[in-house]
Amino acid sequence: DAGITQSPRYKITETGRQVTLMCHQTWSHSYMFWYRQDLGHGLRLIYYSAAADITDKGEVPDGYVVSRSKTENFPLTLESATRSQTSVYFCASSGHPRETQYFGPGTRLLVL
Amino acid sequence: GQNIDQPTEMTATEGAIVQINCTYQTSGFNGLFWYQQHAGEAPTFLSYNVLDGLEEKGRFSSFLSRSKGYSYLLLKELQMKDSASYLCASTGANNLFFGTGTRLTVIP
Repeated sequence: DAGITQSPRYKITETGRQVTLMCHQTWSHSYMFWYRQDLGHGLRLIYYSAAADITDKGEVPDGYVVSRSKTENFPLTLESATRSQTSVYFCASSGHPRETQYFGPGTRLLVL
Repeated sequence: GQNIDQPTEMTATEGAIVQINCTYQTSGFNGLFWYQQHAGEAPTFLSYNVLDGLEEKGRFSSFLSRSKGYSYLLLKELQMKDSASYLCASTGANNLFFGTGTRLTVIP
């Protein structure tokens, strides 16, 4: 089915471990985004990508790494997880940054 | 800089009308989105305003005043299923800037 998917949906990890969150979209949207959502902060942009091999930092990029070798995939890696990275992570895609963004179901990450 | 303000919580009665306000200051502003987010779910698109004025879509309407940096979302004939968070988001040059959201509780 067409859409945007994220995996895993839930993840528990320990401080210092590397974690990769996956995002896949089937619309061939050029733009993809990673957000984290925390109480009191709303949705904050971590990284975004305008096309394959083009990525740029958002508001809160520290501690995260992204790549985009294929248009449809946009993985987010926490190189060395910290407790402050416990959050809900949403991936989104759109044809243009000023067009409607469509969100994946989210990944709930707990760092112990 | 970027700044978006909206009330944290609102409560309204089933069948009533509620207005959720949003003020913004965004560099390179182009338009204003409203998203709905039910607890534990992803945000879903409600409306997008680029020009000044009111956009109506069924029970939901959204208004924009570019000169005042102000928008509101109007929900009519409230239903219990409208209990959710409503996110205001302004468009900058390359991405969206979200407010913290307004949690709306609809009571019988």
